[in-house]
Amino acid sequence: QAGLTQPPSVSKGLRQTATLTCTGNSNNIGNQGAAWLQQHQGHPPKLLSYRNNNRPSGISERFSASRSGNTASLTITGLQPEDEADYYCSAWDSSLSAWVFGGGTKLTVL
Amino acid sequence: EVQLVESGGGVVQPGGSLRLSCAASGFTSDDSAMHWVRQAPGKGLEWVSVVGGDGNIFYADSMKGRFTISRDNSKNSLYLEMNNLRTEDTALYYCAEENDAFDIWGQGTMVTVSS
Repeated sequence: QAGLTQPPSVSKGLRQTATLTCTGNSNNIGNQGAAWLQQHQGHPPKLLSYRNNNRPSGISERFSASRSGNTASLTITGLQPEDEADYYCSAWDSSLSAWVFGGGTKLTVL
Repeated sequence: EVQLVESGGGVVQPGGSLRLSCAASGFTSDDSAMHWVRQAPGKGLEWVSVVGGDGNIFYADSMKGRFTISRDNSKNSLYLEMNNLRTEDTALYYCAEENDAFDIWGQGTMVTVSS
């Protein structure tokens, strides 16, 4: 089942800005938008945003999402040590009638 | 606050079966969709199946015909019946509640398929 494409790793310095990308197609991201999740080692994932740039309550404004065509992006400003984690994008695929995930991006905060 | 607790994982031989359960506590909505998502050791997230509040059910291709999702709203519970298990089904299985997306997650239950 075709998934979404994410870079395996991104490294940025403390207090810098990181932008993570997620590429799909017109049946998933281009149609329904994307959700973003954060997962720390040994913990379940946590929802950061949904349908492109809606944040659940309690999620920091440092996390913002957007979409351009078939590519979704998650921007994290003012990087903190606790932002070091794996980040996944996900979207409903209307042609597959299935949810698809990206392979995940490991964010390292230097 | 809703909490989800998975159970039923264990070690099973290839070709065997398991039934996973997910119990929800706190406020839950019968209208919410409920998902199973799995994560093989050291790997990324893989969506397994969803049952909507309307009862619609969808599966990932590799699970069709082998896995069956169901829910019992009277018991605030979600289930995953897994048959003909393969070694590649070895993973931590999470249940997740969808209000907006994958909003709430359990801690997962580990399934190991090995001879």
